[in-house]
Order: sequence, then C-alpha cells, then structure tokens
Amino acid sequence: DAGVIQSPRHEVTEMGQEVTLRCKPISGHDYLFWYRQTMMRGLELLIYFNNNVPIDDSGMPEDRFSAKMPNASFSTLKIQPSEPRDSAVYFCASSFLSGDTDTQYFGPGTRLTVL
Amino acid sequence: AQSVTQPDIHITVSEGASLELRCNYSYGATPYLFWYVQSPGQGLQLLLKYFSGDTLVQGIKGFEAEFKRSQSSFNLRKPSVHWSDAAEYFCAVGAQGGYNKLIFGAGTRLAVHP
Repeated sequence: DAGVIQSPRHEVTEMGQEVTLRCKPISGHDYLFWYRQTMMRGLELLIYFNNNVPIDDSGMPEDRFSAKMPNASFSTLKIQPSEPRDSAVYFCASSFLSGDTDTQYFGPGTRLTVL
Repeated sequence: AQSVTQPDIHITVSEGASLELRCNYSYGATPYLFWYVQSPGQGLQLLLKYFSGDTLVQGIKGFEAEFKRSQSSFNLRKPSVHWSDAAEYFCAVGAQGGYNKLIFGAGTRLAVHP
C-alpha cells in the first residue's frame, strides 16, 4: 500500500489567500484525522471523520478552517483567509477499526508557510 | 482530563548506549498507549502500542516499552542505540470519548553521538 498521501508537501502563500490541503487515506480505512504541529503547541487534533462523516471538530481553531471528506478516498482541509499564525505542518492520518483497537497511520505532512 | 507528559525535551546518548525515554499519562480508565517516531521532515511512524495483555510490548527497530499502571508510565527503551535512531519521539494516549482520539506528548528529541 502507498500509505497516506498528502499534497502539496510544501505550500507558501500570502496572508489572506485561500489554502487547500489534500489527503488520500489508506484504502479500506474508515477513520481520517487532521492534525496540526507547531513548536508552541505540539501536535493537535483538528478534526476526524468516520465513514466520511465528521465526528469531532472541536479542535478546529476557528471558522476560517473547514474540512470535508466527499468520499472514502479523499479529504481536504481549507483555510480561508489564511494568516501567518496558521503556519505549521499539517498531518493527515487514517485508521481502520478492527475489534476494539485501531492504529493511526500518518502521512508525510504539508508544511504551510503564510507570509 | 487526559494528558501525556514527556519530561525530557532533549536527550543525547552515545551510539551503542542504552536508551530510556519517559512517558507519564493521566487518564481515567485503562489507556491505549502508543509511541511514534518522527524523523526530520517526515511524518509519524508507529513504533509500538499497548492496548491490553502483556505489559511489556515489543516494537519495530528494536524498541520496547513497559506499561506500569501503578506509576502511570509507558517508558520506551532500547538496549543499544544506533545513529539512525536520532529523531523525535512522541508518546500518545487514547482519549476518552473515543479510543481513536489521541493525545500526544510534547515529544523528546533524541540526538546520538558517534
């Protein structure tokens, strides 16, 4: 399996612009997670989906952030408008429920820089 | 509320030396515990996990971890460190309200001297 795929790997944009991050989970996985990693706050869970349905978006920082999962093989995280404080590495992860256990597999991340 | 503490922000060891990275958690029930490793510019890779059963778990790359309920700890160990082990290591606990919500520690950055 190719693992979790994220694009782009690097994104540089200017404040106020719209940014869209993309994720393709591992085939067959039914959970998808979006995380943000910064030096100050470490790894934070932003939102997660189960079977394409958002389950918990309590970690989404503000209304400028939105996430969608239109089908089992694709998800987007959008920031509109972007601000310099959004600069971070954004990770997507996916997992599959087997019994009462699961393991999250992470993508390589998208490094976002907002100027 | 659940939390994970990794007391050591930065650790340096010599190649061939033994390693122990500390992890303490706060959780109201039996936790699910994980160790991930992140190499520079890379995503997180699962090293090992504990869900139930034997409290000493073996992982990839020669790592092991021991769950000690009485100490609320899940320390990661390796008997002999290799230069390629230099990376950042994250401990995580499965959160209430859904085992699949992970709370991560702040991470421990490991440097290996030749």
